[in-house]
Amino acid sequence: AQSVSQHNHHVILSEAASLELGCNYSYGGTVNLFWYVQYPGQHLQLLLKYFSGDPLVKGIKGFEAEFIKSKFSFNLRKPSVQWSDTAEYFCAVTLSGGYNKLIFGAGTRLAVHP
Amino acid sequence: ETGVTQSPTHLIKTRGQQVTLRCSSQSGHNTVSWYQQALGQGPQFIFQYYREEENGRGNFPPRFSGLQFPNYSSELNVNALELDDSALYLCASSWGTASSGNTIYFGEGSWLTVV
Repeated sequence: AQSVSQHNHHVILSEAASLELGCNYSYGGTVNLFWYVQYPGQHLQLLLKYFSGDPLVKGIKGFEAEFIKSKFSFNLRKPSVQWSDTAEYFCAVTLSGGYNKLIFGAGTRLAVHP
Repeated sequence: ETGVTQSPTHLIKTRGQQVTLRCSSQSGHNTVSWYQQALGQGPQFIFQYYREEENGRGNFPPRFSGLQFPNYSSELNVNALELDDSALYLCASSWGTASSGNTIYFGEGSWLTVV
């Protein structure tokens, strides 16, 4: 069965530190990849998505992610985090040609200290 | 704002009871899906409706059922509630499917506690 693994459950950083959150998926076929963010008390928001083309994807709020097909990975990065980035981050995959079944990882809670 | 609203935001039910959760999608969104998010976990796909027909289902038993209405609203019904059904239930809607490049918009969810 397809699955998504997020390596870090909790990450604590100071402001201005760089961020990298790991995500690996298990599926040998064509996939579409997503990162969602959930700020405290708010709904899930799409940060960025990859469907095809350039494996380096830029999203909102200065986030980017790189799809490495050979490693089945889609890691999220941000060069300099802010206190407002404190949230839970979810990696998700949907199979190309499928419907809206997003397979989510367990999430990574990020806390950024001033 | 995503334009996806859910009600109620919180509710408590007793084991064995039935519950109906509601969702109102953006106008024009013909695809709605429901997810269950247990504490400390990522959302899990329950099922999807497209033009009022269920056309995809995750690993959830038949006591989880749904409806989609022509006015872009939908319902999730859960019968014979169990303690493990306690979770945040998320409604997500889109025009078309994510695999076709369309963005899925999530509501803020309904917190269900089963006691």
